[in-house]
Amino acid sequence: GENVEQHPSTLSVQEGDSAVIKCTYSDSASNYFPWYKQELGKGPQLIIDIRSNVGEKKDQRIAVTLNKTAKHFSLHITETQPEDSAVYFCAASIPGYSTLTFGKGTMLLVSP
Amino acid sequence: KAGVTQTPRYLIKTRGQQVTLSCSPISGHRSVSWYQQTPGQGLQFLFEYFSETQRNKGNFPGRFSGRQFSNSRSEMNVSTLELGDSALYLCASAGGGGGKNIQYFGAGTRLSVL
Repeated sequence: GENVEQHPSTLSVQEGDSAVIKCTYSDSASNYFPWYKQELGKGPQLIIDIRSNVGEKKDQRIAVTLNKTAKHFSLHITETQPEDSAVYFCAASIPGYSTLTFGKGTMLLVSP
Repeated sequence: KAGVTQTPRYLIKTRGQQVTLSCSPISGHRSVSWYQQTPGQGLQFLFEYFSETQRNKGNFPGRFSGRQFSNSRSEMNVSTLELGDSALYLCASAGGGGGKNIQYFGAGTRLSVL
């Protein structure tokens, strides 16, 4: 089955810096790659996603890039703010299924 | 539009008991998936229901079961609880069309097994 690896497990940055989280996947059939943000006591919230026919997608301070050949995708957050502090998960799924395989998560801490 | 609603938010049970968790999906969504979240294993897929039928199943023992009703609401049941079943159980709903499979999560049910 699909296996998703995520790095780093923790990331500390200063407010205003950029943060990058990287994921690799094993199943070349995977074609949908969402990123979720989970705050304490809450469920994961979708923040951005990308499909395999697109190499990059941007939404304000957040961007995701996908390299299908290398089977890796990354989340980029620019101009980080303290409210960006949370656990971020990458995930992958194959066509025709809603099932997501998640990475282990990255705890992002943004210090003022 | 109301989000995914999970009840109860917290549960405390003892080993050997059974428990039932409930999930109401976003209105119009026909797919409901369940995930177990633990510090050690992260988010792991349990099963998915679509139009009252189990469409996919993860690698969990038969003590974990679920069902979906005609209004798309779903329940999951865990029988003969073990200490290792302590976790946050998350429900996610999706449009279920197979193409645009965006999943929206509820806040979860925190289960503690003593």
